[in-house]
Parts: sequence; structure tokens; C-alpha cells
Amino acid sequence: KNQVEQSPQSLIILEGKNCTLQCNYTVSPFSNLRWYKQDTGRGPVSLTIMTFSENTKSNGRYTATLDADTKQSSLHITASQLSDSASYICVVSDQTGANNLFFGTGTRLTVIP
Amino acid sequence: EAQVTQNPRYLITVTGKKLTVTCSQNMNHEYMSWYRQDPGLGLRQIYYSMNVEVTDKGDVPEGYKVSRKEKRNFPLILESPSPNQTSLYFCASIRLGGTHGTQYFGPGTRLTVL
Repeated sequence: KNQVEQSPQSLIILEGKNCTLQCNYTVSPFSNLRWYKQDTGRGPVSLTIMTFSENTKSNGRYTATLDADTKQSSLHITASQLSDSASYICVVSDQTGANNLFFGTGTRLTVIP
Repeated sequence: EAQVTQNPRYLITVTGKKLTVTCSQNMNHEYMSWYRQDPGLGLRQIYYSMNVEVTDKGDVPEGYKVSRKEKRNFPLILESPSPNQTSLYFCASIRLGGTHGTQYFGPGTRLTVL
């Protein structure tokens, strides 16, 4: 069964600290993996997208890694800011078409001063 | 500016009263989709459309209808809403072809069915 699991479910960190969010998936055949940031009450916004051949991609203070062999991805946030408080959602596509997107349930990150 | 718009943003209604949530995108994307988001369950796909006049069921289509008469619009219709359809709804669009592009989400519609 195609699944995407994220951990931790929630995380609280101090402003300025780094953190890493995890995403494990069983989706096959794999096409790509995306990380989204979703602020409360708003739609998800894309942070990164990685295909099979990419093992790291950065977007400012956000760096995503992908290990297609172990089917794991991580999102690393450097020097966190209060505005990083949001839910982070991992989404994996298979190769059968754009409609086959598998969503993780997200990690709720809270950055406190 | 590339965007997906939804209306209304908030809606409180009563059981059985038909409603429509509109969705419009200005990026000429072929693919549009509706999701509902519930606590602990993440985003679940309701319906999707690969192009005009082409729609298909997602994971949780019961109680919903959609139409795609024009490329830019993809309304979600609840013919007889029930309380279990109380949720946060998102419309999204993506350009098909080549490597998968970014999926753009609308701002969300929070629906409460009493």
C-alpha cells in the first residue's frame, strides 16, 4: 500500500535553532517528492520538489534531502524564525500520473521566541 | 500573479441545503483537484480533472460533485451537505506534461454544516 509517514507529528523549537523533519514513504514506482509549508488557515505552498536523481535541494533556509534507496526524505530548517511556525507536508507522486499524489499528515512546527 | 482563488472562504450552512464552492486558476493549467483536510487525516483528494469535460473520483468522492466546463474553473458542489462534510477544503491546479510541476493551492474554504 502506498503510504507517506511524517515525524514528528509536532515540534516546538526556540527561535534561531535548527530542526529536521522526516518523511518516509512506500510509494512505488516513485516519481517525485515535494515539501510544502502550510500556514494556519491557508493553502500549502511549495518549498521543494525532488526527482529520483536528486538527493538534495535548497530553498533559502530550507534544505530537503532524498534517499531513494531507503525511501526517506528530510527537511532541514536552519536558523529558525517565528514565521517558520506552520505545518510541513510531504507529498510523494508515483509514475502513473499527476493525480496519484500521496500526502503525509504533516508536522506541526512551532517556533517560540 | 499566478494564483488559485476560492470562494467563499468561510461558509456555515445547514444540513441538506445545496451549496457550491468555486475555484478558479489563471495559469492555464490542465489539471485541477479538490481536497479536504481534516485533523489527523491530512489532505485527501475528493475529485480531480485532467482537462475540460474530464473529471474523475479521488479517494473520498461520496457526497460531492464537480464540473469542468472551462479550463480555468472547477467548482465543487455539495447537493445535500451533511455534518460529516464539515472540513477545510482546498482547490489546486498543476500543469501536466514533462516533469511534474508545482501544485498551486487555493487559500482554502472552511465549511461548517450544522
